[in-house]
Amino acid sequence: QVQLQESGPGLVKPSETLSLTCTVSVGSINSYFWSWIRQPPGKGLEWIGHIHYSGDTYYNSSLKGRVTISVDRSQKQFSLKLTSVTAADTAMYYCARHTYLWGNDYWGQGALVTVSS
Amino acid sequence: EIVLTQSPGTLSLSPGERVTLSCRASQTINSMYLGWYQQRAGQAPRLLIYGASNRATGIPDRFSGSGSGTDFTLTISRLEPEDFAVYYCQQYGTTPVTFGLGTKLEIK
Repeated sequence: QVQLQESGPGLVKPSETLSLTCTVSVGSINSYFWSWIRQPPGKGLEWIGHIHYSGDTYYNSSLKGRVTISVDRSQKQFSLKLTSVTAADTAMYYCARHTYLWGNDYWGQGALVTVSS
Repeated sequence: EIVLTQSPGTLSLSPGERVTLSCRASQTINSMYLGWYQQRAGQAPRLLIYGASNRATGIPDRFSGSGSGTDFTLTISRLEPEDFAVYYCQQYGTTPVTFGLGTKLEIK
């Protein structure tokens, strides 16, 4: 059973950079894609992007180049950086495994990030 | 970008009832890349159905998915109390991966 856990600051100031890490504590990080998905309070799910274990990345262009996803295979972690945040970036941030066969089949419990001064 | 439209937005139902949720795509989707997720209050989403009609591991057989092209459905044959949640469809064959806005099932 794959287990994922998000970690990072729960409060970020406007214009600063949001940074989160997802640790794959059980299961292999190899041979899969790894996603970041967010959900503003009371709203639906938004795909941020995903990264292949080899390092190839795919991003949602709606975030206008503010996103970087990276992977550290030795630590079994992948990370999200979102620059120039505003209150609109306040959301629950989920990491998840992605396959083209199953979609997002394993999810972390989520990390709530609030953007506020 | 493929837009997924889910209807209705909210349904008020009773345990034991049968329900069918709709997900319509703005363009044809390969059914291999259509999924359904359940999100209970305060929890992360959970994969129910992948490839339009395949139940994920551990999902009860009262959940079934069907459809092709631009029209897909999720059916719950007999609602249990734990099924009252929000359901999202997702297409994951092309980027950006997109989700519908969800259908909320509430207890009547």
